[in-house]
Amino acid sequence: DGGITQSPKYLFRKEGQNVTLSCEQNLNHDAMYWYRQDPGQGLRLIYYSQIVNDFQKGDIAEGYSVSREKKESFPLTVTSAQKNPTAFYLCASLPGYRGRQPQHFGDGTRLSIL
Amino acid sequence: GDSVTQMEGPVTLSEEAFLTINCTYTATGYPSLFWYVQYPGEGLQLLLKATKADDKGSNKGFEATYRKETTSFHLEKGSVQVSDSAVYFCALRRQNNQGAQKLVFGQGTRLTINP
Repeated sequence: DGGITQSPKYLFRKEGQNVTLSCEQNLNHDAMYWYRQDPGQGLRLIYYSQIVNDFQKGDIAEGYSVSREKKESFPLTVTSAQKNPTAFYLCASLPGYRGRQPQHFGDGTRLSIL
Repeated sequence: GDSVTQMEGPVTLSEEAFLTINCTYTATGYPSLFWYVQYPGEGLQLLLKATKADDKGSNKGFEATYRKETTSFHLEKGSVQVSDSAVYFCALRRQNNQGAQKLVFGQGTRLTINP
């Protein structure tokens, strides 16, 4: 079955460390997204990518970086510049960058600070 | 900017009770509207959607009607089950000039159904 796979499910970061969250999709979708979810809040957009080798900042991009070297992969790096990284991170995708379809979501990665 | 406001939770009901979760939005134009559901430890699943005024989205006994005059998209279900316990998110979708889709989410409403 096609879908979005996020890994790991749980991740721990030490102070001053960069960590990378994986997002892979086998849906052949063009557009991919990263969201951050904090308790009691909705999802906030970090970065999105409409096509390979192109991505744009979302509403809360500071302290994060992404790459889109392959259509099926959109990894998110949480850098040491992100001072409050503890959150649930969700990856999503869309069939086309001019999509009119709802986004598909992965099952998320929960990041905590050691 | 665009925003979505949901009824604050948590909401606790007994099985077979009637459910309403309020959602109102602020946006220019007529965005598409969605309800997503999130079960514990999982990502979001689309529950229903409406793309224009007066559209009614429905799925699994849940319904919501796109009300332009009140800028609302309230979620309803006539008889809830324990398995409906989850967090529910209302969202609107905007597309920019380049066709990129962005979703704006409400803060989520946690629903617990007791047997």
